[in-house]
Amino acid sequence: KNEVEQSPQNLTAQEGEFITINCSYSVGISALHWLQQHPGGGIVSLFMLSSGKKKHGRLIATINIQEKHSSLHITASHPRDSAVYICAVRRGGADGLTFGKGTHLIIQP
Amino acid sequence: DGGITQSPKYLFRKEGQNVTLSCEQNLNHDAMYWYRQDPGQGLRLIYYSQIVNDFQKGDIAEGYSVSREKKESFPLTVTSAQKNPTAFYLCASSIMSRGMLQPQHFGDGTRLSIL
Repeated sequence: KNEVEQSPQNLTAQEGEFITINCSYSVGISALHWLQQHPGGGIVSLFMLSSGKKKHGRLIATINIQEKHSSLHITASHPRDSAVYICAVRRGGADGLTFGKGTHLIIQP
Repeated sequence: DGGITQSPKYLFRKEGQNVTLSCEQNLNHDAMYWYRQDPGQGLRLIYYSQIVNDFQKGDIAEGYSVSREKKESFPLTVTSAQKNPTAFYLCASSIMSRGMLQPQHFGDGTRLSIL
């Protein structure tokens, strides 16, 4: 079983819909990251969370440490939000990240 | 503008040859990382380095080697011992602040194909 599980794997929605992507992890972590990967492969860091909730524009990320679960929400989705969204956890210290397999999101006009 | 530069974007090599992927950052970050991405799989950690002249193996280090002679540079060599080197390689870096590593910045990646 992967240490980081994301759902759904693929998601197609209409422009304007509220999007939720889920991430569950099975190890102790010091921080959880949400990343966005565009078709060319480049990755952008969206959020780093260790507790609670963060908001940036139309993106909201939440984490429940007790339940080992995080969600990424996109409000008023737009075709330019189409990308792969990746959940990753840091297990502590300077260890690299452990990644989920990603959620492939397509927003149709 | 500060950032991470990976070059080249696409790289082709013959089987059995060693190949070195470049990663340079001008963010003054302490830690640097190499990840590998395969279709349908999450990114996996190959090597990481916290400081100059020091580096640690990640989850899939076999068949790879790195060096960290300068803070801004962390080249990755894919050796002929790596059985399946064709993949997308991402370099990342992060800074330590208030005793914690901050979010990682990523390069645009190098797609390596072995002919």
